[in-house]
Amino acid sequence: EDQVTQSPEALRLQEGESSSLNCSYTVSGLRGLFWYRQDPGKGPEFLFTLYSAGEEKEKERLKATLTKKESFLHITAPKPEDSATYLCAVQPLEGGSEKLVFGKGTKLTVNP
Amino acid sequence: GAGVSQSPSNKVTEKGKDVELRCDPISGHTALYWYRQSLGQGLEFLIYFQGNSAPDKSGLPSDRFSAERTGGSVSTLTIQRTQQEDSAVYLCASSLYIVGLVSTDTQYFGPGTRLTVL
Repeated sequence: EDQVTQSPEALRLQEGESSSLNCSYTVSGLRGLFWYRQDPGKGPEFLFTLYSAGEEKEKERLKATLTKKESFLHITAPKPEDSATYLCAVQPLEGGSEKLVFGKGTKLTVNP
Repeated sequence: GAGVSQSPSNKVTEKGKDVELRCDPISGHTALYWYRQSLGQGLEFLIYFQGNSAPDKSGLPSDRFSAERTGGSVSTLTIQRTQQEDSAVYLCASSLYIVGLVSTDTQYFGPGTRLTVL
């Protein structure tokens, strides 16, 4: 069964304190791994797609990396506006469906 | 351009009543998805449309749940005889599906409909 596990469940940082969020996955074959950001009361907002081990993508203070078993979302010098829940999802290669399998998310709070 | 829109944003209903949730995808997106997000849980896949057909409806939790899509655009998710465990946020997403594309394409989400069953 395809599974995604995110850790930690919640993370509190001081403004400027860099850290990383983890997403480990078990999937028969990986078509793509996605990172989304979700603010309270809103739908997920797309951040990155990663396709193969070794791939990295960056956007402002965020950098996503991918290995064969996990992905990391690195946050450099975070600001309070980076506070949100970060969701990781995989799209399995097999099965013929386009569905995404999501983790439960990491709730990030950045204090000023 | 306009993103995915959903209506209503909030729905409160009584146990046993039927509800309809609507999704308007991004213009030109041929693929449409429904997910459910319950408190403390991750997003759970419900059903996927390619055009007006649903190649994967494996996530629908029971036969009380159904969905349709007309004109390759608007989709409606219907829940019959609602139960308290149906209370959740129902999210719709769409993507620009290209036949034969090896890599995946991005799913863009709407704001969701928060359903509360009393």
